[in-house]
Amino acid sequence: EVQLVESGGGLIQPGGSLRLSCAASGLTVTANYMSWVRQPPGKGLEWVSVIYSGGTTFYADSVKGRFTISRDRSKNTLFLQMDSLRVDDTAVYFCARVRPAAGDFDHWGQGTLVTISS
Amino acid sequence: DIQMTQSPSSLSASVGDRVTITCRATQSISDKLSWYQQRPGKAPKLLIFAASSLESGVPSRFSGSGSGTDFTLTISSLQPEDFAIYYCQQSFSTSYTFGQGTKLEIK
Repeated sequence: EVQLVESGGGLIQPGGSLRLSCAASGLTVTANYMSWVRQPPGKGLEWVSVIYSGGTTFYADSVKGRFTISRDRSKNTLFLQMDSLRVDDTAVYFCARVRPAAGDFDHWGQGTLVTISS
Repeated sequence: DIQMTQSPSSLSASVGDRVTITCRATQSISDKLSWYQQRPGKAPKLLIFAASSLESGVPSRFSGSGSGTDFTLTISSLQPEDFAIYYCQQSFSTSYTFGQGTKLEIK
């Protein structure tokens, strides 16, 4: 059974940094396409970033240059390093596995809340 | 970037009703379209991938159709557990855009 468990969320001031983790079991992070999706409170889903099995990465324009997606083979964990955080980055952040053939997101974590506020 | 527009934004229906939600892309995305259900406080759940393929374990009352720019999600006979928010998502481009969501409420 696939499980994805996010952690690392919390309250941080604008301009700060935070690193989110997504610990995986039942799948190998480095052998899969993995993504981050966020959801501001009371709003819809916004795709954030993806890392392909070969290491290629893509980012939403809203986070490009500020966020970095990465992974650790030994820990079987996906990361999202978030720098220069802004108030509008406040959201629940989900990690998800992406199936390459259709590009759908078939497994999701439960999410971790990031709040940016002074 | 490809934009995805869902309609309606909200919908009231009764148990047993047949409902259809529409998703339109700003350019052709072939069949690279998925549908998700999200209940309050929960992660999204994949329902349909490749526009019309039913994800394993999803009830057969859910179906998807369309290609190119216009897509639909149909629930043939609403059940109480189907009242939730539904999102479409394109995977034709690496922006993986979601629609704004359709809230399905009990009438």
